[in-house]
Amino acid sequence: ETGVTQTPRHLVMGMTNKKSLKCEQHLGHNAMYWYKQSAKKPLELMFVYNFKEQTENNSVPSRFSPECPNSSHLFLHLHTLQPEDSALYLCASSQAARRNSNQPQHFGDGTRLSIL
Amino acid sequence: DQQVKQNSPSLSVQEGRISILNCDYTNSMFDYFLWYKKYPAEGPTFLISISSIKDKNEDGRFTVFLNKSAKHLSLHIVPSQPGDSAVYFCAASEISGYALNFGKGTSLLVTP
Repeated sequence: ETGVTQTPRHLVMGMTNKKSLKCEQHLGHNAMYWYKQSAKKPLELMFVYNFKEQTENNSVPSRFSPECPNSSHLFLHLHTLQPEDSALYLCASSQAARRNSNQPQHFGDGTRLSIL
Repeated sequence: DQQVKQNSPSLSVQEGRISILNCDYTNSMFDYFLWYKKYPAEGPTFLISISSIKDKNEDGRFTVFLNKSAKHLSLHIVPSQPGDSAVYFCAASEISGYALNFGKGTSLLVTP
């Protein structure tokens, strides 16, 4: 039990569907992150939220839309995705996302997304 | 261009012996380094970290060494146990950044 829970664990969707990924952390952290891991590639940061405010968008296409209603919950809304978006999407949290502050990030188990 | 490299995709070690996992990086702005362990169908689990002001950090059986001049870090596990069999990821972040930059991982197998 990592303290970071992601649902669903697996998702298959068509390119015209709209779905959402959910992440919840029970660690009392104030920063949350979305990462993408494609096959045979390292994890890539997508978004950072710090105290519910988006502080980083790593050039992610607009078909991925994050939402952070509070420090414990993070969503990734998906619409009109492409087959190349099939990947493992990992959520992480840390105490706070501060520059010049070393904080380990704690990960959930991920959502395996397949686009048909 | 990948800034964190783990050049050994796999490593096999006998139980009780030392496991040494290596990681190289190219970005001189990295100042915080971490090791994560990942079992199949689970997310990465934080193991140990080191700041660039140190050259060694130890936590139980796990020790991380940092050689800034060589832009190299390593994770030593001693003694290795079968439960240590997993994929190990090296990660690094910049002084002024949020993102963790990950290597592709090394799969460790500890045999009885």
